[in-house]
Amino acid sequence: GEDVEQSLFLSVREGDSSVINCTYTDSSSTYLYWYKQEPGAGLQLLTYIFSNMDMKQDQRLTVLLNKKDKHLSLRIADTQTGDSAIYFCAETPPSGGSYIPTFGRGTSLIVHP
Amino acid sequence: GAGVSQSPRYKVTKRGQDVALRCDPISGHVSLYWYRQALGQGPEFLTYFNYEAQQDKSGLPNDRFSAERPEGSISTLTIQRTEQRDSAMYRCASSFPPPDTMLSYEQYFGPGTRLTVT
Repeated sequence: GEDVEQSLFLSVREGDSSVINCTYTDSSSTYLYWYKQEPGAGLQLLTYIFSNMDMKQDQRLTVLLNKKDKHLSLRIADTQTGDSAIYFCAETPPSGGSYIPTFGRGTSLIVHP
Repeated sequence: GAGVSQSPRYKVTKRGQDVALRCDPISGHVSLYWYRQALGQGPEFLTYFNYEAQQDKSGLPNDRFSAERPEGSISTLTIQRTEQRDSAMYRCASSFPPPDTMLSYEQYFGPGTRLTVT
């Protein structure tokens, strides 16, 4: 995951908004993803954005993409305790036509009452 | 329907032993991927298959690691002569379209096999 960087921890109070940030290096990335990993479970795709978009909203989730700065963020509105998990940013550079994602190290989101 | 399953969920083995990790993808999914995830890291790509054909094994760390998917469904990742540095979570994922199409944005992950080499 050295091509995708994330901060390791984020702590928020229940009901506040959470913003998880990610930077990536490959300017030719086509897809950028956010995955959620809960304890004992596999990674679950939360949302994705195409590289030709700059924003995508899906219920409580808002993804912002700044291609110039190669910066991706995930905003979770009205954060709940059930949102506590590790969030992985991933990119898929179209190398050789196989869209295999490269993951960051993950950001642990801790939501406290 | 059922998701991706992996077995065993936990495996403790002694250094030098061989281990075989199994992945059962979602029925009908064309592509199957193996990743390794060290503690505090994101998943790191190992190899993937389209149907029974291994398309890319560039992520396998060395020749002690191999994978197969003989009938295009269940896959086995084998690690020979295990070493302590092989200890990690091994994750499998599957997707319906092959990864060389723009539609293959979602991979479905299994719960992983936690391998500990003592």
